[in-house]
Amino acid sequence: AQTVTQSQPEMSVQEAETVTLSCTYDTSESDYYLFWYKQPPSRQMILVIRQEAYKQQNATENRFSVNFQKAAKSFSLKISDSQLGDAAMYFCAYRNFTGNQFYFGTGTSLTVIP
Amino acid sequence: DVKVTQSSRYLVKRTGEKVFLECVQDMDHENMFWYRQDPGLGLRLIYFSYDVKMKEKGDIPEGYSVSREKKERFSLILESASTNQTSMYLCASSGGGRAWGYEQYFGPGTRLTVT
Repeated sequence: AQTVTQSQPEMSVQEAETVTLSCTYDTSESDYYLFWYKQPPSRQMILVIRQEAYKQQNATENRFSVNFQKAAKSFSLKISDSQLGDAAMYFCAYRNFTGNQFYFGTGTSLTVIP
Repeated sequence: DVKVTQSSRYLVKRTGEKVFLECVQDMDHENMFWYRQDPGLGLRLIYFSYDVKMKEKGDIPEGYSVSREKKERFSLILESASTNQTSMYLCASSGGGRAWGYEQYFGPGTRLTVT
């Protein structure tokens, strides 16, 4: 089974600074999707960014970008110009291209310091 | 916007009770999922469904069952609730049929406490 590892249970960042959240995964497949989800305190989980494994270009969404290293099976999330509203639990997720399950990491709790 | 709703935000049940958690999505998504979320364990898939009346077991199906009689609705059933089923339950849906290229949309979650 595929596994997703987030080795940083907690992170903190000063407001306006940049932070990088790490994620590694294990798979023997060549085609798959990777996601970062954000879960603010007591609020719904929402998608932050998505990366297709067949695309070499790293995905970006405004202040959020990823560093996708396929050979290393690494998928880190960079948040630039951190804002107080970025404080949340962040989950990395893997989805098999032809399979039927999503695999989630254990999450990283991000604190933004004013 | 996709909307996924869950029948309750908070639920308290007694050991041995039958518990129904309901999830409804309004975007005609084929796929629906039930997860439980526990601190330090992330999200673990209980069951998912890729079509009406179709279901497949996830990683932790023991003690749970599901029902999908209509495309928009996916129910999670705890036949006989136990204290180790105290958790946050998240429902999600996604489009794209069986070859899922799409992200999941999540409901607000139901925090279930079994006493």
